[in-house]
Amino acid sequence: EVQLVESGGGLVQPGGSLRLSCAASEFTFSSYWMNWVRQAPGKGLEWVANIKLDGSEKNYVDSVKGRFTISRDNAKSSLYLQMNSLRAEDTAVYYCARERWVKLELTYYYYGMDVWGQGTTVTVSS
Amino acid sequence: QSALTQPPSASGSPGQSVTISCTGTSSDVGGYNYVSWYQQHPGKAPKLMIYEVSKRPSGVPDRFSGSKSGNTASLTVSGLQAEDEADYYCSSYAGSTRVFGTGTKVTVL
Repeated sequence: EVQLVESGGGLVQPGGSLRLSCAASEFTFSSYWMNWVRQAPGKGLEWVANIKLDGSEKNYVDSVKGRFTISRDNAKSSLYLQMNSLRAEDTAVYYCARERWVKLELTYYYYGMDVWGQGTTVTVSS
Repeated sequence: QSALTQPPSASGSPGQSVTISCTGTSSDVGGYNYVSWYQQHPGKAPKLMIYEVSKRPSGVPDRFSGSKSGNTASLTVSGLQAEDEADYYCSSYAGSTRVFGTGTKVTVL
């Protein structure tokens, strides 16, 4: 079964750090862009960051730039999110999501974020 | 990187239709045909319902349909069923980044 499983969440004090992991199984991990998406308690989805197939391109939402780092290890089929200088407003459930693109000749086709993990909860509080 | 605008709520009786709008800008919704829609039940991960504005993944009922005009995309759920009660989020490609909508809670009366 195609699956993403997040881990690494927990309670951390403001200013602290946490590293989230996302383990992929039953698909060719290196063929997909990967994303982190978060959802604060009672709030909507917020895209956080994404990373290209080979890790050569990384993008972030403005609110986490300079504090969060997305990375991947294709040999281990794993995605990571290093979170530093954490703030109360970073409290959320963090999901990893696979993003599918298909290139046919000169045209790119976008199939959306088609596989999601179950999420891991990050709580930033003193 | 502003969130796309969705109405907070929508509702309909079983069998009726409900349409949710998603308004962005020419830098996201209006600039690309890369709009997707996600359904989220309480305590669950989001589920992809529509991609590339109007296409349905395998397994998604044809009661779900999508469209776009200018900077506004729409999701229509026809023949509402009890299990359609959920939160719905649009999302758009925005160049190197992605953006989600503010979310719409659909209630089946």
